[in-house]
Amino acid sequence: SQELEQSPQSLIVQEGKNLTINCTSSKTLYGLYWYKQKYGEGLIFLMMLQKGGEEKSHEKITAKLDEKKQQSSLHITASQPSHAGIYLCGAEHAGNMLTFGGGTRLMVKP
Amino acid sequence: NAGVTQTPKFRVLKTGQSMTLLCAQDMNHEYMYWYRQDPGMGLRLIHYSVGEGTTAKGEVPDGYNVSRLKKQNFLLGLESAAPSQTSVYFCASSQWTSGNGELFFGEGSRLTVL
Repeated sequence: SQELEQSPQSLIVQEGKNLTINCTSSKTLYGLYWYKQKYGEGLIFLMMLQKGGEEKSHEKITAKLDEKKQQSSLHITASQPSHAGIYLCGAEHAGNMLTFGGGTRLMVKP
Repeated sequence: NAGVTQTPKFRVLKTGQSMTLLCAQDMNHEYMYWYRQDPGMGLRLIHYSVGEGTTAKGEVPDGYNVSRLKKQNFLLGLESAAPSQTSVYFCASSQWTSGNGELFFGEGSRLTVL
């Protein structure tokens, strides 16, 4: 969706390196959801952010929602091959539905 | 718990043929969604339902129809398939309570239209 832009579109990192994926919305976010998709499989929920300035962590993955609630970042510390996949951000703009960004394909080289 | 189950998982159609994708959820969720995923375009919402007997158009509804006759099932139909409908289709469901709109996804249905 043009309402939600993810960057970068793809990323190749060496195992052990840190990385950041960004998700920028053209509208105010009422909720921002991060999902991970392993190649050829369904989507797995990672975390949800709702309040400006909110930050959540799950294992080595940290997500933040900026104060103005129009941008979120997903940061992976000390990447591992198990982190490889497609990361998608989903935005709740209005109504009971999510609009998704184009996704970021992450490859982690051993 | 099965969660969200999609059938079939794979299908090949010829242009002009029709087919139905079935989505079933066992979580008693009110909301159900059909998305399609194409390379570089993330997930785009086709149709959705906010409860049994209701349906609504999403971002890319043309060429598709849906029905929600039972709360647990959400059907996606293609009346006359076109090559542009080659995609991976994902069904999702949600209870969408205040402050929690987490979607639970099926494993996807890969459709190829020749």
